[in-house]
Amino acid sequence: DAGVIQSPRHEVTEMGQEVTLRCKPISGHDYLFWYRQTMMRGLELLIYFNNNVPIDDSGMPEDRFSAKMPNASFSTLKIQPSEPRDSAVYFCASSIHLSNTGELFFGEGSRLTVL
Amino acid sequence: AQKVTQAQTEISVVEKEDVTLDCVYETRDTTYYLFWYKQPPSGELVFLIRRNSFDEQNEISGRYSWNFQKSTSSFNFTITASQVVDSAVYFCALSERSQGNLIFGKGTKLSVKP
Repeated sequence: DAGVIQSPRHEVTEMGQEVTLRCKPISGHDYLFWYRQTMMRGLELLIYFNNNVPIDDSGMPEDRFSAKMPNASFSTLKIQPSEPRDSAVYFCASSIHLSNTGELFFGEGSRLTVL
Repeated sequence: AQKVTQAQTEISVVEKEDVTLDCVYETRDTTYYLFWYKQPPSGELVFLIRRNSFDEQNEISGRYSWNFQKSTSSFNFTITASQVVDSAVYFCALSERSQGNLIFGKGTKLSVKP
């Protein structure tokens, strides 16, 4: 089975540009999570979805960040406009049946550098 | 509030030494799950173990062992006879049934030198 697939793996952009990160969760998983990893703050949850519906977006830094999940097999995280402090590794993760264990399966991450 | 503390930021050992990574957690839930993830230099997050709050039995998997103690809210991870390939950042994490996500500690960077 394919794992969680993220694209792009690396993105370098200039301040002010729009950035779109993409994620394909594991088939059959009903939860999808976006995490951000930085040296200073570690792994932080940005937002998560259950059955394509956003459940908790309290971790989204500000209005420049938005996330969508139009269907069960695809999600996007958009940053517009991007700023240098958004430079981080963004991980997407999926899981199944939250009431069981909460184990997350992570993608390989998208490393974003904003110049 | 829930919190995971990994007090050791970095640990360096020589190959074949045993090493213990500490994890202390805080939660108000009576039902919760504890995890360890490994992040090797390549960057992906690799699941190692899950423990639920009702199971305090220690677990051993090869050179890895985990010690869960509710009395001290700790879930420590020991690597026996460490190897260079164990070099990675190790994250302890907590999941509460009332929440929808994993709360991670800041991680411990383990360097195993030959």
